[in-house]
Amino acid sequence: GEDVEQSLFLSVREGDSSVINCTYTDSSSTYLYWYKQEPGAGLQLLTYIFSNMDMKQDQRLTVLLNKKDKHLSLRIADTQTGDSAIYFCAESSFSSASKIIFGSGTRLSIRP
Amino acid sequence: EADIYQTPRYLVIGTGKKITLECSQTMGHDKMYWYQQDPGMELHLIHYSYGVNSTEKGDLSSESTVSRIRTEHFPLTLESARPSHTSQYLCASSGSPDGYTFGSGTRLTVV
Repeated sequence: GEDVEQSLFLSVREGDSSVINCTYTDSSSTYLYWYKQEPGAGLQLLTYIFSNMDMKQDQRLTVLLNKKDKHLSLRIADTQTGDSAIYFCAESSFSSASKIIFGSGTRLSIRP
Repeated sequence: EADIYQTPRYLVIGTGKKITLECSQTMGHDKMYWYQQDPGMELHLIHYSYGVNSTEKGDLSSESTVSRIRTEHFPLTLESARPSHTSQYLCASSGSPDGYTFGSGTRLTVV
């Protein structure tokens, strides 16, 4: 079946940029998503990108998509303590019957 | 304000009890989902529904059951809770390709 992979942990210094990476296997992916989960909460949709786009920017967040390599990244500029959370990469396509396939999540921790 | 509601937020219950986790959404979404989340973060799809009277099992086998009698309501039931059912349960709904809306989750502990 289709798969989404991401590293489990990332630690960055407050004020630096965070880059969370993700790879996926479904070549027919149409939408790619980044979700954020804070402790004890559900998942919150941060942003998404259509597969025909290379980049999307929204304030401190930049999403880059390399469709050839099936690689998605999320860059958080000027990382703050409030950015500490688990970040899930996800994709959907017609082949997955519109179900969203989630990665295992990357836990972002911020060092002072 | 949340558009998808899960109750209870926390539940501690004894082995063998029957429990129902509630999930309701006010967005009129046809598609609804239940995920089980490990302490180690990974999400596992256990049930989904694409409309009233439509329910399917997900990728992870689960002893729970679901029903979808009304569009807005998608409850999950465990007939006899066991310690292995201890987990966080997340409900989500979707009305378009631009992502799911998640509830806040129910953290279930079976003692």
